[in-house]
Amino acid sequence: EVQLVESGGGLVQPGASLKLSCVASGFTFSDYWMTWVRQTPGKTMEWIGDIKYDGSYTNYAPSLKNRFTISRDNAKSTLYLQMSNVRSEDTATHYCTRGDYYYDGTYYHNYFDYWGQGVMVTVSS
Amino acid sequence: DIQMTQTPSSMPASLGERVTISCRASQGISNYLNWYQQKPDGTIKSLIYYTSNLQSGVPSRFSGSGSGTVYSLTISSLEPEDFAMYYCQQYDSSPRTFGGGTKLELK
Repeated sequence: EVQLVESGGGLVQPGASLKLSCVASGFTFSDYWMTWVRQTPGKTMEWIGDIKYDGSYTNYAPSLKNRFTISRDNAKSTLYLQMSNVRSEDTATHYCTRGDYYYDGTYYHNYFDYWGQGVMVTVSS
Repeated sequence: DIQMTQTPSSMPASLGERVTISCRASQGISNYLNWYQQKPDGTIKSLIYYTSNLQSGVPSRFSGSGSGTVYSLTISSLEPEDFAMYYCQQYDSSPRTFGGGTKLELK
């Protein structure tokens, strides 16, 4: 059974840093792209970024790329999100997701097939 | 960024009813559109990929359609477990973006 378990959230002051973790199990972690997605208290979903299965490539939402860093440790089947200089607008539930795809012979159709339960980050003084 | 607009934002409906949720993109996305379901406890599940392809295990009462800028998710006959939030998401270009969500509520 695929499981993604996030941790590391909590209450943090503006300007501080925080590192979220996501431990994966039930599949070969090093075979999959992984993604972080967040959901605001108003239920808006926002894609944060992806990391390639071997960690050699990352892609971020332009509005976040200067403050957020995604990394992974395939030996530990763990995905990370380093958040720096956090702001009140970073208050959200952060989800770890597994990326899979369907190849139709021409194009890779990507989707997030498994999601963690989410971890809440609250930025407040 | 491609903006995704879902309508309605909430929808009261009855058991057994047929419902359709719409998702409009700010530009053509070539059917590169996925749908997700979020239960009240926060659990998120992938329902449909590439506009109309059901994920394994998803009941056949769910279907997706559309082209160009307009897409839809249809549930043919609502079951109790279908009352949830639904999100569309485009992957035509980066950054991938989501619709604002549609909350399906029991009437």
